[in-house]
Amino acid sequence: DGGITQSPKYLFRKEGQNVTLSCEQNLNHDAMYWYRQDPGQGLRLIYYSQIVNDFQKGDIAEGYSVSREKKESFPLTVTSAQKNPTAFYLCASSVGTNNEQFFGPGTRLTVL
Amino acid sequence: GENVEQHPSTLSVQEGDSAVIKCTYSDSASNYFPWYKQELGKRPQLIIDIRSNVGEKKDQRIAVTLNKTAKHFSLHITETQPEDSAVYFCAARGHTGGFKTIFGAGTRLFVKA
Repeated sequence: DGGITQSPKYLFRKEGQNVTLSCEQNLNHDAMYWYRQDPGQGLRLIYYSQIVNDFQKGDIAEGYSVSREKKESFPLTVTSAQKNPTAFYLCASSVGTNNEQFFGPGTRLTVL
Repeated sequence: GENVEQHPSTLSVQEGDSAVIKCTYSDSASNYFPWYKQELGKRPQLIIDIRSNVGEKKDQRIAVTLNKTAKHFSLHITETQPEDSAVYFCAARGHTGGFKTIFGAGTRLFVKA
């Protein structure tokens, strides 16, 4: 299951703190994505990037920020402005935007 | 905005029976329809996908059908096995809104031995 990795696997945050989730891929994929998954729900798109130094808001971008300084990396910052951040966060990448997305193992964030 | 509806939310079948999961999408410009399987605590993995220029695709016990006129597509699993038990997500990717892939809410499939 190599190719796209996320760290940490589990993350605990106190209210009011910003935290950054890591996503790295060595698949040479141009496009990368961040999704949030809540129990019993599908995947909701937070941000996506089709190319280095460019990214677009998804459906639930409020309270989140991203950067895409390198092709291999697409970190997600969960800011204190995100009111309900406890969730499972999945990063994905694809060759282009019209192809299979490969998912990372996910990070489970819990706000204490 | 774009939307993908998936039914049923839960499906229980007997081992050896068939399972069918249905999805409808709203963006008529959608042209790529993947299906992902997610086992408990694991990442989603692609099991089959179909593009808008074909109506059906099959891979061993799994098949997907697409009706572009009605804007719906379905996943068919035949001869189900206990290891097919998982959550299945459909998705649709279109041009509207910047090439986003919209996921359905998922179907939890239980295959009883």
